[in-house]
Amino acid sequence: AQSVTQPDIHITVSEGASLELRCNYSYGATPYLFWYVQSPGQGLQLLLKYFSGDTLVQGIKGFEAEFKRSQSSFNLRKPSVHWSDAAEYFCAVDNDYGGSQGNLIFGKGTKLSVKP
Amino acid sequence: DVKVTQSSRYLVKRTGEKVFLECVQDMDHENMFWYRQDPGLGLRLIYFSYDVKMKEKGDIPEGYSVSREKKERFSLILESASTNQTSMYLCASSPPGGGNTIYFGEGSWLTVV
Repeated sequence: AQSVTQPDIHITVSEGASLELRCNYSYGATPYLFWYVQSPGQGLQLLLKYFSGDTLVQGIKGFEAEFKRSQSSFNLRKPSVHWSDAAEYFCAVDNDYGGSQGNLIFGKGTKLSVKP
Repeated sequence: DVKVTQSSRYLVKRTGEKVFLECVQDMDHENMFWYRQDPGLGLRLIYFSYDVKMKEKGDIPEGYSVSREKKERFSLILESASTNQTSMYLCASSPPGGGNTIYFGEGSWLTVV
């Protein structure tokens, strides 16, 4: 069965510093991969997604993610963090590539705090 | 913009009560989902539906049921609420098939006392 691991529960970075959030997945083939963001008290919003092709994916709000098949990873990056990026970030994998009905398996999330 | 609306943001219910959480989407999506979110556990799928009157169990269906009588509406039902069902509940919708963006509502905070 597919699974998603986000090794970091909580990360604190200074405003203006670079950010990398880690995500590892377990799946036999190339999966559909997603990153979502959740601001406090809100629902989740899609940042970016990967299906195939170019392994570097650009998303909204200046985020990007790189798919590395050899490492089964899909890490999220941002070159310069803004205070408004403080939120919880979830990596997700499609539950059944090919035969999927569209439901996702989510990681447990990484909470990002931003220091002034 | 896609809009997924959860009618109740905050609810407080008593143990044993029957609870209805309502969700409506305005994008004619075939798929609809109910997730439960708890600190440190991420999002866990309770039920999903890929068509009217169709439903599939997710990872944690025990204690819950769902109803989808119309395409735009997906209801989560707690037949007899218990304190361990205190949680944030998220409704979502998407087009059919794999790889599509799932759109989330803002969530319903349920406290069972």
